[in-house]
Amino acid sequence: AQSVTQLGSHVSVSEGALVLLRCNYSSSVPPYLFWYVQYPNQGLQLLLKYTSAATLVKGINGFEAEFKKSETSFHLTKPSAHMSDAAEYFCAVSDHAGGSYIPTFGRGTSLIVHP
Amino acid sequence: DSGVTQTPKHLITATGQRVTLRCSPRSGDLSVYWYQQSLDQGLQFLIQYYNGEERAKGNILERFSAQQFPDLHSELNLSSLELGDSALYFCASSVGLAGLNEQFFGPGTRLTVL
Repeated sequence: AQSVTQLGSHVSVSEGALVLLRCNYSSSVPPYLFWYVQYPNQGLQLLLKYTSAATLVKGINGFEAEFKKSETSFHLTKPSAHMSDAAEYFCAVSDHAGGSYIPTFGRGTSLIVHP
Repeated sequence: DSGVTQTPKHLITATGQRVTLRCSPRSGDLSVYWYQQSLDQGLQFLIQYYNGEERAKGNILERFSAQQFPDLHSELNLSSLELGDSALYFCASSVGLAGLNEQFFGPGTRLTVL
């Protein structure tokens, strides 16, 4: 079964600073990878996804992620943090099981943005 | 608004009781997923249905069951509730079974077992 590791349960940045949220997965073949964001008291919503079309994936709200097969990583970045980016971020990988694709989610990283 | 609706928003009940959580997927989506989110376990996949049929099971307890009806809405039944079942329960839907399909999450049902 797949596993997803998100390094750091909390990441704190200043407004305007670079955001880097780390995600590593375990897979012998390139999987489908996703980043979701969860704002307080809401469900998750998709930020971006990797489907093998391009290694650098651009998502909503200025976020992007780079797929690095050699490092089995899919880190999420944003050049300049905004206060509204404060939320919980989840990395997920889709695993093929019994004819269906089931996503495995990381434990999440809480992004804190200081003014 | 993701287009996925879940009812109720909050549910408070006692140990040993049984509850039913309801989910309506986005229009056109055939696949429904159920997740449990708690502080200690994170987001755990419970079960998936596709067009009325169970397709995959995750970490779902035997006390829990689900079904998807012909109109594609789904219900998650939790019985013999324990304190540890207190969590946020999310439903998500997607168009099909493909791994690259985005999942659209509902707002969740917060279950508190006293």
